[in-house]
Parts: sequence; structure tokens; C-alpha cells
Amino acid sequence: QITLKESGPTLVKPTQTLTLTCTFSGFSLSTSGVGVGWIRQPPGKALEWLALIYWDDDKRYSPSLKSRLTITKDTSKNQVVLTMTNMDPVDTATYYCAHGPLWFGELLNFDYWGQGTLVTVSS
Amino acid sequence: DIQLTQSPSFLSASVGDRVTITCRASQGISSYLAWYQQKPGKAPKLLIYAASTLQSGVPSRFSGSGSGTEFTLTISSLQPEDFATYYCQQLNSYPQTFGQGTKVEIK
Repeated sequence: QITLKESGPTLVKPTQTLTLTCTFSGFSLSTSGVGVGWIRQPPGKALEWLALIYWDDDKRYSPSLKSRLTITKDTSKNQVVLTMTNMDPVDTATYYCAHGPLWFGELLNFDYWGQGTLVTVSS
Repeated sequence: DIQLTQSPSFLSASVGDRVTITCRASQGISSYLAWYQQKPGKAPKLLIYAASTLQSGVPSRFSGSGSGTEFTLTISSLQPEDFATYYCQQLNSYPQTFGQGTKVEIK
């Protein structure tokens, strides 16, 4: 059974760096055929794709946020970490991590999601 | 970035109604499209991927179609548990953008 859970601060100040951890079970990121993505959702708004890391350490970022994002994996701990620098109130959102299976080398969906963690940016 | 435009943004329907939601891509994405359902306070749930493949465990009243730039999600007979917000997502290229959502409410 695949599960994912996000953890990190619920409140950060403007200009600070946010570090979120996705701890998962039921799969390994050292095995071919899987990716883990981060998606966020501001209150009352739509989903926004942020970043993705594959089993082979290939990383992809949203171009509009690329300068502020870093995604890494720790396969020994079954964790994926997302850092976002220079936080602003507009970054207030629920942040989700999600499992993405690869089909013949291509990611076609996010089939398992964490419960999400609300991060508020305020002084 | 590829833009996805869903229509309508809001839909009021009754139990038993047939409901269709459209997702248009700003450029061709072949069949690299997924549909998700999200209820308040919950994470999105995968319904359809590869434009028309039903995710395991999802009721057969949900179906998807389309390719290229125009896609549809159809609920053949709306059930009380289907009142939610629906999102499309393209996985053809990065960033793997989402549509703005379609909220389905009870008439």
C-alpha cells in the first residue's frame, strides 16, 4: 500500500526558506519506474505543479519558480525534500506530494497523494 | 507553458444528470491528460489518465475522451458523492500544468 505524508512548518516569515519533507512508504525511489512530485494549492484556488524528481535523480521544475526551488531525495529514508527560498505571502498554500508511476518510461498521472500541509507565510 | 482551460468553471446539476466537462489545451498534448476529483479539505483523487483510461476502483460512470487539444470528462449519471471540483492535468511537457477547475454543485 502506497502512502505519502508531507511535513514541515505551518508558518514561515516572508523572505525565509521553506523546507518540506515528503515521507513515503509502499515504494522505493531507488527502483526504476517512479517519480515524486510536489503540487500546491492556495486557499480557494487551483492546483499548481511545482517540481518532480525521478528514480534516476532526474529533476524538473516549474520555470516560473525554478530559481527558488530545489528538490532532492533520500532513498535510505524514503523521503523527498522540497526547499523554496524567499517565501512571500502569495506562497501561502496547501502543499502536496504525490506518487507518479512511469508507464514505459513516461509519467502519465499522480495516483497517490499525501494529505497536504498548509503553509502560511506571514510576519 | 501549456495552458489548460476548463469549461464550465461552475456547473449546477441534479442527481442522475449526465455531466460533461471540457478541457482545452493551448497546444497539442496527444493523450497526455489526466482528470482528478477533489472534495473540500481533501487531496485530489485520480479518475482518468491517458485521456480515457479509467483508474482502478473508479466507478464506470466516469469516462474520458479526446486527444490533441480538446478533452472531455463525462459523468453518465451524477451521484451525490460526485459533487466536487474536477481538474484536468497535462503531462505532455513540463511544467505539468493543471486546469483552473470545474466545481460541480447540487441544483
